Amino acid sequence: AQSVTQLGSHVSVSEGALVLLRCNYSSSVPPYLFWYVQYPNQGLQLLLKYTSAATLVKGINGFEAEFKKSETSFHLTKPSAHMSDAAEYFCAVSPYNQGGKLIFGQGTELSVKP
Amino acid sequence: GEEVAQTPKHLVRGEGQKAKLYCAPIKGHSYVFWYQQVLKNEFKFLISFQNENVFDETGMPKERFSAKCLPNSPCSLEIQATKLEDSAVYFCASSQSGQRTDTQYFGPGTRLTVL
Repeated sequence: AQSVTQLGSHVSVSEGALVLLRCNYSSSVPPYLFWYVQYPNQGLQLLLKYTSAATLVKGINGFEAEFKKSETSFHLTKPSAHMSDAAEYFCAVSPYNQGGKLIFGQGTELSVKP
Repeated sequence: GEEVAQTPKHLVRGEGQKAKLYCAPIKGHSYVFWYQQVLKNEFKFLISFQNENVFDETGMPKERFSAKCLPNSPCSLEIQATKLEDSAVYFCASSQSGQRTDTQYFGPGTRLTVL
């Protein structure tokens, strides 16, 4: 079964610092991976997705993620954090042959200090 | 519409009462997904539809949960005889074709509180 694991339920960075949110996947077939962001009391918004084209994927709001097969990872990064980046971030995988449903990681809450 | 709409925003029910949640997918999207989010994380897949047909219901607690997507009507998720553990935020999402590469667009959710 395909799954994702997010390391660290809470990450705190200073404004302007590098953001690194970790996601590792488990899959016996090429995975399709997603990063979503959830702001308080809102639904999920897609940041970026990996669908087996380029391994470095650029998303919205300055975020990017790199698919590394050797490390089974798809970590999310942003060079310089803004206060507005404070939110919950979810990594997800779309399992093979299951109609596009998403299996989510546990989520990582990002706090940004002034 | 351009966004997934969910109603109501909040729903409070006493244990044992019925709860019904609604979702209007983005126009032109053929797939609808329901997810349950408990305690601010832990998204759990419940059910998906291809148009009005159930595509995957492997996540549904079958005894009390049911869902429908009828033509020209919002999709619905109904919980008969709610329990305390049903308290959660229920999200609906839609996508164009249900392929693994498709983006799912999420609604704002319905917060269900069971007292």
